[in-house]
Amino acid sequence: NAGVMQNPRHLVRRRGQEARLRCSPMKGHSHVYWYRQLPEEGLKFMVYLQKENIIDESGMPKERFSAEFPKEGPSILRIQQVVRGDSAAYFCASSPLIENRGGGYTFGSGTRLTVV
Amino acid sequence: GDSVTQMEGPVTLSEEAFLTINCTYTATGYPSLFWYVQYPGEGLQLLLKATKADDKGSNKGFEATYRKETTSFHLEKGSVQVSDSAVYFCAANAGNNRKLIWGLGTSLAVNP
Repeated sequence: NAGVMQNPRHLVRRRGQEARLRCSPMKGHSHVYWYRQLPEEGLKFMVYLQKENIIDESGMPKERFSAEFPKEGPSILRIQQVVRGDSAAYFCASSPLIENRGGGYTFGSGTRLTVV
Repeated sequence: GDSVTQMEGPVTLSEEAFLTINCTYTATGYPSLFWYVQYPGEGLQLLLKATKADDKGSNKGFEATYRKETTSFHLEKGSVQVSDSAVYFCAANAGNNRKLIWGLGTSLAVNP
């Protein structure tokens, strides 16, 4: 029973390149959330998606960042023209369809992006 | 807006010492409250949770009680072990949206 799978675990990009982070939710989960953890800071919400639908992207930077969760395949967080300030750990979580304020979030191990 | 405040670290304790990490929240309505733990180089794991006032979450010897009157959810453990060394995050889920609001994390180091 695989949990939330994120890949790659570590990603190094040069300034100006594109970064693609993948997240496969837990089996049976239809909601995906992306969080960013900057060095010495807590986690910040970025975006919340259902299949083929962005529910809440209030935490996404206005430029260069985008996210999708297609009908088939993993959720993708895409960062275009990366800058050093994008270096962070990016965590994905998933939850089931049923409204569950009691939690039910399962986190992946994260992707650590380093921009050089 | 909604927020979570937890005590700053790092916290350094000797093995078998008592641990308290304070967490308070500001939220509309009645949020669900969580403690997550992040071991070095790993992702986040749910440690415990409480969904309503006076609920007590517990796991692996850790406990936290949802106190509505003080808007707090302090994490406690009676006797810490070296293996408890990690970063602990308090989080809240309020309102109809499903996103979590996080504290900044408290780093705990337990020495043998």
